[in-house]
Amino acid sequence: DQQVKQNSPSLSVQEGRISILNCDYTNSMFDYFLWYKKYPAEGPTFLISISSIKDKNEDGRFTVFLNKSAKHLSLHIVPSQPGDSAVYFCAASGATSYDKVIFGPGTSLSVIP
Amino acid sequence: NAGVMQNPRHLVRRRGQEARLRCSPMKGHSHVYWYRQLPEEGLKFMVYLQKENIIDESGMPKERFSAEFPKEGPSILRIQQVVRGDSAAYFCASSPRQGSSGNTIYFGEGSWLTVV
Repeated sequence: DQQVKQNSPSLSVQEGRISILNCDYTNSMFDYFLWYKKYPAEGPTFLISISSIKDKNEDGRFTVFLNKSAKHLSLHIVPSQPGDSAVYFCAASGATSYDKVIFGPGTSLSVIP
Repeated sequence: NAGVMQNPRHLVRRRGQEARLRCSPMKGHSHVYWYRQLPEEGLKFMVYLQKENIIDESGMPKERFSAEFPKEGPSILRIQQVVRGDSAAYFCASSPRQGSSGNTIYFGEGSWLTVV
């Protein structure tokens, strides 16, 4: 069963516009959510995270929104740049020290110059 | 470089041989994760370890795969009698896991295993 879902395998956005990547989860015990960016042949890079006690977290061009009641989070990138073209993974974890981090299948973002 | 170090970056093994992948966590991190990415797929959790202890191995295949994180030295993911289906990128991540501030994990560059 897929506990973290990213229903859009790919997304294309014009440079300078906003990119919105979506993520849904099914496990109500998840307490902490993360976004990672991955280029081909490299390891994933941590971008931004949010705790379940918040509904928004911002870091530069990246903002993550969390809607706990809908079990939905989104990553907004504005303005989008060609260097943002990569695969973006949503991930979630529980609150205890024994909880693993579970990843979604990823969304491939292409930013068109 | 204080990041997560994985080696080898690339490994080629013939069917039936053993593969050993190593991971040194970031300085100060006591917990290690292993993930596998098959071609055209996402990151699949395999195992979560702290020093001398396996916390969660629910993602490990039941046979041929094992992992350890000894008191001294790197974490090792061992695959015995490799088959073509084991060809994948194997990523290691580490975290400090010091409390309830959120489990942010940091990845290494990955080890690409090719079974011929």
